[in-house]
Amino acid sequence: GNSVTQMEGPVTLSEEAFLTINCTYTATGYPSLFWYVQYPGEGLQLLLKATKADDKGSNKGFEATYRKETTSFHLEKGSVQVSDSAVYFCALSDPSYNTDKLIFGTGTRLQVFP
Amino acid sequence: KAGVTQTPRYLIKTRGQQVTLSCSPISGHRSVSWYQQTPGQGLQFLFEYFSETQRNKGNFPGRFSGRQFSNSRSEMNVSTLELGDSALYLCASSVTREAQETQYFGPGTRLLVL
Repeated sequence: GNSVTQMEGPVTLSEEAFLTINCTYTATGYPSLFWYVQYPGEGLQLLLKATKADDKGSNKGFEATYRKETTSFHLEKGSVQVSDSAVYFCALSDPSYNTDKLIFGTGTRLQVFP
Repeated sequence: KAGVTQTPRYLIKTRGQQVTLSCSPISGHRSVSWYQQTPGQGLQFLFEYFSETQRNKGNFPGRFSGRQFSNSRSEMNVSTLELGDSALYLCASSVTREAQETQYFGPGTRLLVL
């Protein structure tokens, strides 16, 4: 079935360090891919998305490229800030007909220290 | 434009009781989905409604049910509560002109079952 695998956390970085959070997926069709972020005590916020192979999603300095050949959608940021500390979820939209259902990875906690 | 709103934000119930959670989608959004988030199981899809019809359902027991009204507002109900139902329940809405649309999440309702 469809699934998303994320790297285990927590990821601990110093401010201004480079961030990579790995995400790979398994899907039978052509899903859209998403990164959502969850701050403590809050719901999920859409960070970025990509809808087809080789698309690059970007927002607030974060980027991810839809790689069909490696079935990956890794999240990167060149210089993290303390305010980026949160849990990051990779997700795919179920490519089954007529649904917006999302399948999530387990989430990766990012901790950034000054 | 106002975001997805969920009420109540926090709820404490005892085993055997039932609970109803409410979700108001973003204005103009016609699809509403519900997810359960727990530390052990992560984010799991409960169900999805579009135009008052359930069009997708996750793997949850029949104690979990939902509905959508003509104004797109949605409610979910859990009957005969169990301790394991303690979770953050997230509602998400999307425009749904076509499948795999971006979902926007509310802040969630945190349910504690004692």
